[in-house]
Amino acid sequence: QQQVKQSPQSLIVQKGGISIINCAYENTAFDYFPWYQQFPGKGPALLIAIRPDVSEKKEGRFTISFNKSAKQFSLHIMDSQPGDSATYFCAAMIKDSNYQLIWGAGTKLIIKP
Amino acid sequence: NAGVTQTPKFRILKIGQSMTLQCTQDMNHNYMYWYRQDPGMGLKLIYYSVGAGITDKGEVPNGYNVSRSTTEDFPLRLELAAPSQTSVYFCASKKTGTDTQYFGPGTRLTVL
Repeated sequence: QQQVKQSPQSLIVQKGGISIINCAYENTAFDYFPWYQQFPGKGPALLIAIRPDVSEKKEGRFTISFNKSAKQFSLHIMDSQPGDSATYFCAAMIKDSNYQLIWGAGTKLIIKP
Repeated sequence: NAGVTQTPKFRILKIGQSMTLQCTQDMNHNYMYWYRQDPGMGLKLIYYSVGAGITDKGEVPNGYNVSRSTTEDFPLRLELAAPSQTSVYFCASKKTGTDTQYFGPGTRLTVL
């Protein structure tokens, strides 16, 4: 129940294309869903996050789509650029758990020029 | 602000040795976390702290210990290192009343 399942493990997208990464969860008590971006040799950094009371959040080229009934959420990267090549992690949190994050396994994204 | 700093960047340990991974943040954050990251497995929470003097176990605490004597520092102690502790360790911190965790650059530990 505490798992967050992320797919795909790896993804190759042409420059200018749309990158889509999916996550699913079981625990309906989760109340915060962030996406983190990690470059090689660096720590993860928050990219964008959503709460379950909205179905979509957009920040620049990055959009989270959230489907509460299906218990799924996804990250869409529009007009993907080589600089977007990184590993992306979805996560979920229950605030009452002292903000502990439950992480997906990660998706390694490669954008081909 | 330096943010979250971790030392050392790399370390090789022999089985049975001990070491302390250092983590310091200069953002006056009350919450601090230690994670390990293994290939293809995401991050797993080892220990966390909600303030100086308060620590609690996460998902994978066995083989580790922590202390939090100041707001700034949250060291992670490995006693009797084992090959299963080969991993990349990340420290993170968070401000009270917010959700975003800020991560350090990590420590790559190999136990041989």
